[in-house]
Amino acid sequence: DPKIIQKPKYLVAVTGSEKILICEQYLGHNAMYWYRQSAKKPLEFMFSYSYQKLMDNQTASSRFQPQSSKKNHLDLQITALKPDDSATYFCASSQEGLFYEQYFGPGTRLTVL
Amino acid sequence: QQQVRQSPQSLTVWEGGTTVLTCSYEDSTFNYFPWYQQFPGEGPALLISILSVSDKKEDGRFTTFFNKREKKLSLHIIDSQPGDSATYFCAASDFTNTGKLTFGDGTVLTVKP
Repeated sequence: DPKIIQKPKYLVAVTGSEKILICEQYLGHNAMYWYRQSAKKPLEFMFSYSYQKLMDNQTASSRFQPQSSKKNHLDLQITALKPDDSATYFCASSQEGLFYEQYFGPGTRLTVL
Repeated sequence: QQQVRQSPQSLTVWEGGTTVLTCSYEDSTFNYFPWYQQFPGEGPALLISILSVSDKKEDGRFTTFFNKREKKLSLHIIDSQPGDSATYFCAASDFTNTGKLTFGDGTVLTVKP
């Protein structure tokens, strides 16, 4: 069974709309992360959460908002979508503190038209 | 200035040969270095990692070497197999309690039978 679930696998949105990317982990980890991978840039850190509290935000825009309703959930809400937001978004998690080895989910591929 | 650089961008080796991937970094505070393997359409998978207090770590056919003075590390894959064909990412972290991993651009490895 997959340990980190991301939904949906593929997502197509129109410019200006809003979408929520879902992430659930069943590894018992207490830290979760979001990364973005696009054709133009390497894997890029976005957010880190520990025990449902925001620890780091490296996104330049408030259009990206993580939401943690449960310890093993970290969703990503993106508002006012732009074509430049097109990328694959990966959720990751780790155990025993934020510096420990991170395990990645399968990703959500977002295309903004 | 890119914090983590990888070379080569792509590499082709014959089955049974040894693959050597290299990585260099800028930030002296980096002290944790994982290597990730990514297949098309999947998330990065943690392959092997090393702390800056070590100079070598081995796991089966995979060995990573670390040179703190030169700020370089490498990944060696012995007896390379076609199933090893993937993109390999070097990453770095500085244990500042945010969990941020900084990734290189990746090396695309092709192992020919």
